[in-house]
Amino acid sequence: EAQVTQNPRYLITVTGKKLTVTCSQNMNHEYMSWYRQDPGLGLRQIYYSMNVEVTDKGDVPEGYKVSRKEKRNFPLILESPSPNQTSLYFCASRSTHQGERYFGPGTRLTVT
Amino acid sequence: SQQGEEDPQALSIQEGENATMNCSYKTSINNLQWYRQNSGRGLVHLILIRSNEREKHSGRLRVTLDTSKKSSSLLITASRAADTASYFCATDGDKIIFGKGTRLHILP
Repeated sequence: EAQVTQNPRYLITVTGKKLTVTCSQNMNHEYMSWYRQDPGLGLRQIYYSMNVEVTDKGDVPEGYKVSRKEKRNFPLILESPSPNQTSLYFCASRSTHQGERYFGPGTRLTVT
Repeated sequence: SQQGEEDPQALSIQEGENATMNCSYKTSINNLQWYRQNSGRGLVHLILIRSNEREKHSGRLRVTLDTSKKSSSLLITASRAADTASYFCATDGDKIIFGKGTRLHILP
């Protein structure tokens, strides 16, 4: 089954404690991206990757890092989380030849 | 900056009725996509309409695109309780930009 998986699905952590949210897709897609969704603000892109070892900033990259060492994986790293990063995070992928995005189930992060 | 803007923000209709949602955008696009999101879950792609298309159908969904007015509409016919969700338009140009969504509630 074609899918995008994210882990963990829920995470409560404290300010400053480094964390990683993993994202993996099994569709051999070149393009992957991370979004955060906040009430009243919709989905905002954090980072995206056009292919392995190619990453670029989206609209709200501050406080986040990503890496793309393998085609299937695109982890989101918060080196020093802060309460304003409390949000619902989605990973998505697509083939460069199609517009349709496939979204993961989401990771609800709370930073206290 | 937000490009796609859905209208209305929220819509409640009786089961069986048709639901229409609109999306306006600002700049040129390659295509426009509509997604559905059930509460707290990931977005699911519904339909994609290219900039050279004017109308597209998929099951009970009908999407129109007017590039001269920079607007699109999503029509869901014969609504069902399972259609209750948030619906987002996304414009795909240099990058994809999502609107803030329309919350659709189907009343039994």
